[in-house]
Amino acid sequence: AQSVTQLGSHVSVSEGALVLLRCNYSSSVPPYLFWYVQYPNQGLQLLLKYTSAATLVKGINGFEAEFKKSETSFHLTKPSAHMRDAAEYFCAVNRGSQGNLIFGKGTKLSVKP
Amino acid sequence: KAGVTQTPRYLIKTRGQQVTLSCSPISGHRSVSWYQQTPGQGLQFLFEYFSETQRNKGNFPGRFSGRQFSNSRSEMNVSTLELGDSALYLCASSLPSSGSNHEQFFGPGTRLTVL
Repeated sequence: AQSVTQLGSHVSVSEGALVLLRCNYSSSVPPYLFWYVQYPNQGLQLLLKYTSAATLVKGINGFEAEFKKSETSFHLTKPSAHMRDAAEYFCAVNRGSQGNLIFGKGTKLSVKP
Repeated sequence: KAGVTQTPRYLIKTRGQQVTLSCSPISGHRSVSWYQQTPGQGLQFLFEYFSETQRNKGNFPGRFSGRQFSNSRSEMNVSTLELGDSALYLCASSLPSSGSNHEQFFGPGTRLTVL
């Protein structure tokens, strides 16, 4: 069975500081991993996805994530936080060939001025 | 290209009623998935439709059902509403091919409140 664990339901950083959101996965097969962002009263927007082509994945809005098989991790980072990055972030894994996503509980990111 | 659209955006119902939510996928997308989002349970998969057939189903009671039409538009229905059905219901569409790495594009959701 596949699952995703996001460490920390709330993360607060200062504007300009490093953003690090943690995600660990459990999968019996090579996983496809995703990071989505959700702004208030909106749906989910894909930030980036890992599909085994490269372990370091660059996404939109300056975010990137590194797939580490040995640590079963797929942490999301951004070198310098902006106020507009304040949102909820979800890590997700794909459930084999059937396509539906299994999501983590989400991490709410706050950015202080 | 227009994104995924969901109607209505907000809905208020009372216990025992039923409700139908609608989702129009991105043009050319034939797979439509539904998710329920609540503060307590997070994002949970309801079901997926592909070419008018339910291809995959999550762990929800039979009160939750769905269908897909020949134009790929999808509806989900919840009968005998309970207070716990209050949630944001999200629809997502993806490209026609099967395969785990296809990105799912999400709509803005329908916020259902059950009183």
